[in-house]
Amino acid sequence: SYELTQPPSASVSPGQTARITCSGDALAKKYAHWYQQKSGQAPVLVIYADNKRPSGIPERFSGSNSGTTATLIISGAQVEDEAAYYCFSKDNSDLGVFGGGTRLTVL
Amino acid sequence: QVQLVESGGGVVQPGGSLRLSCAASGFKFTDYGMHWVRQVPGKGLEWVAFIRYDGNNKYYADSAKGRFSISRDNFKITLYLQMDNLRVGDTAVYYCAKDGVVGGYGLGNIDYWGQGVLVTVSS
Repeated sequence: SYELTQPPSASVSPGQTARITCSGDALAKKYAHWYQQKSGQAPVLVIYADNKRPSGIPERFSGSNSGTTATLIISGAQVEDEAAYYCFSKDNSDLGVFGGGTRLTVL
Repeated sequence: QVQLVESGGGVVQPGGSLRLSCAASGFKFTDYGMHWVRQVPGKGLEWVAFIRYDGNNKYYADSAKGRFSISRDNFKITLYLQMDNLRVGDTAVYYCAKDGVVGGYGLGNIDYWGQGVLVTVSS
């Protein structure tokens, strides 16, 4: 079955730039969306359609999609950005699929 | 504001059935597709199923196909997930979620989530 591959963990110092990748063959033709999930809470959409930011999401969150890799970028990461991040897209049958998640540590 | 409130979770024995409900408010329910997503505690998110805004198209993950059935009642503004022949591996928090594309033919993105309901399959 189709998979989206994310690194299990990442770390960044406050104020630095965090980059989280999501790899999958179908990303060349499908949008990537990104979700932030803090402990004990429901996920929150932070980037949709590769690089669009929902209202209320800080400008430090951005995204890109090139070839088969989508990237979530947090410019000037804050301590409150510490969370798990998941990419979401579709396979070639248009079924939904999540990446395995990346736990971001900001310290 | 968008609100999605799940109900119907609980403890069920392997092989049993359960129906989850999701009451929606704060948006025009008939314009949007809806999803179910689950998460084993401490693990990642798994997409389960999607139903188009008019109920005419349904999509299922392989893990749900043949055992789970997604449906909606656009008059009651409620989403459902009928789960049959449950397995221990179906134990998870189940989230109801709204698609972000108005009138979308298939899956778009998920823009709002409920708080989730716990389903435990255990003997």
